[in-house]
Parts: sequence; structure tokens; C-alpha cells
Amino acid sequence: NAGVMQNPRHLVRRRGQEARLRCSPMKGHSHVYWYRQLPEEGLKFMVYLQKENIIDESGMPKERFSAEFPKEGPSILRIQQVVRGDSAAYFCASSSKNVLTFGAGSRLTVL
Amino acid sequence: GNSVTQMEGPVTLSEEAFLTINCTYTATGYPSLFWYVQYPGEGLQLLLKATKADDKGSNKGFEATYRKETTSFHLEKGSVQVSDSAVYFCALSGNTGGFKTIFGAGTRLFVKA
Repeated sequence: NAGVMQNPRHLVRRRGQEARLRCSPMKGHSHVYWYRQLPEEGLKFMVYLQKENIIDESGMPKERFSAEFPKEGPSILRIQQVVRGDSAAYFCASSSKNVLTFGAGSRLTVL
Repeated sequence: GNSVTQMEGPVTLSEEAFLTINCTYTATGYPSLFWYVQYPGEGLQLLLKATKADDKGSNKGFEATYRKETTSFHLEKGSVQVSDSAVYFCALSGNTGGFKTIFGAGTRLFVKA
């Protein structure tokens, strides 16, 4: 069991470019959560998805951010027209019952 | 809405000292409570959990008791080691509407040899 796999681990983008972060949940898990961690801060909930459905996106910024979890393939967090304030670590987690298993994170740096 | 408040860090202790990290929560209903730990450069790992009042979660010498009367879930360890240096997050998950988990701000622990 490979656990929750995230890629890329590190991503550098210039302002205005797009960032795509991918997450493959643990085998048998059908719930995916995305969190953002700013330097020296806690984790902020962004979005909760099941296969082909967004269940709760109350933590997603209204513009430029989107997430999907297709029937086949990984979940993708997409950030369009990135700005410096988007620089953060983005963590994906999947769940069995109410315990989250986290990936190692994708660290986005916007120049 | 649901929220978690934990003591600010950093906390610096000498090896073998006693550790307490305070955590209180606000929630409707009967949430499950968790402590997660994050080592440098890694994602969070579940340390322990408790799912109902008066439950005690324990793992690797760490303990926390679900206190509904004080809405608290304080983390304790009797004798810390250098390898315990990490960031500790208190969290809660509601039992309805999915398992969205809300995290506290985290407390960084440094243990000196």
C-alpha cells in the first residue's frame, strides 16, 4: 500500500502561470481532502471531494482555484494565474471513516 | 462553526521533561478528537484519537483525554525525547456531513539533549 501519493513534491511557477497539483488516495479510499499550509501556520481546509463530486468547497478561494476528482485518475487541485500569496504547502489526505491519511505535500513557490 | 484552539509555541523542553500541550475546541454535537504530528518536510501523521467523552487516546507514550465538560483534549507525555521534536496539531472531525477535519494552528516542540 503506497499511501497517499502527491506530485510534484516541489513546483515553481512565475506569477500568472497555472499550477496543477495531483493526489492519488490510498487504495480503497474514495474521499479526498485538500488543505493549504502557509509558512508557520496551521492547515486550512480547502475542499472535500468524492469520486466525481465536490462535497464541501467552503475553504476554496472564490476565484482561480478549482478541484476535481474524476472517476479515473488522481484528484487535481488547479490554481490559475498564480500570485505570490499562493506560495504554500498543499496537502492532500484521504480517509477511511474519520481518520485522515496525508500525503507528503506539494510545495508551491511563486516567483 | 467548529473550531480548535491550541497553545502557541514554540515549546522548548529538555530531554525527559514532562510535556503538556493544551487544546480546547468548539463544536456542535459529538465530534471525534485527534492529535496529529508533523515532522520536518513531511505530511501529518495521526498520533492518537478519541471518539467519545472520557475516552483516552494513547500512542508512543503520548496521551490525551476527551473532556466534554471542559471541551478540552490536552496532549501529555511523561518524558520527552529529542526525536519528539515536531509540530503537533489538535483536530476535530464532526460525525455528520462527511469527515471534514478542522485543525488547530499547531504547536512546535523542540526537545534539547
